[in-house]
Amino acid sequence: QKEVEQNSGPLSVPEGAIASLNCTYSDRGSQSFFWYRQYSGKSPELIMSIYSNGDKEDGRFTAQLNKASQYVSLLIRDSQPSDSATYLCAAPARSSNTGKLIFGQGTTLQVKP
Amino acid sequence: EPEVTQTPSHQVTQMGQEVILRCVPISNHLYFYWYRQILGQKVEFLVSFYNNEISEKSEIFDDQFSVERPDGSNFTLKIRSTKLEDSAMYFCASSGLKETQYFGPGTRLLVL
Repeated sequence: QKEVEQNSGPLSVPEGAIASLNCTYSDRGSQSFFWYRQYSGKSPELIMSIYSNGDKEDGRFTAQLNKASQYVSLLIRDSQPSDSATYLCAAPARSSNTGKLIFGQGTTLQVKP
Repeated sequence: EPEVTQTPSHQVTQMGQEVILRCVPISNHLYFYWYRQILGQKVEFLVSFYNNEISEKSEIFDDQFSVERPDGSNFTLKIRSTKLEDSAMYFCASSGLKETQYFGPGTRLLVL
């Protein structure tokens, strides 16, 4: 069973809409989750981290964590064409205490003007 | 804002040759990592490094790979005898806290 799973997309939304990106994880004991944005040919850029159940907001981004259902999501409000990228969900591997991250496949977001 | 840097940005090499990829982590960070991403695939963990030694390595990180922190700033990944399947983007990451990792821009390695 994959530790972190994402729908690869692409997810297409019109400019100004809310984009909703989802991620599920297999380890019920996972405590922290990270969202990275990756533009084509570039490196992952940390957007948000979330540790507690509920919502965490940062500007246009909101991360949501539901530990009971084992999913974490990222909402992007007022989506802009510059938000078009692949969004990676990551969690520390529970089998490790070194902080190594396990990444999902990533969801490609396309924001159409 | 501090950032992780990596050199070179691109490296082309012949199969069997040695390559060294270099990284300068964020200066007050303590945990260092190498990841790689084959084109179209997931970002995958290679190795973690803490307190001047490897703390964990993946199955990919076989005897052909090694890491070093030769001085207080650089962190290197060496591949002794490159294979075609080593072609990938290699990312260095560092963190002050164990889990919040910041990635460098990457080195694109092409093995011919």
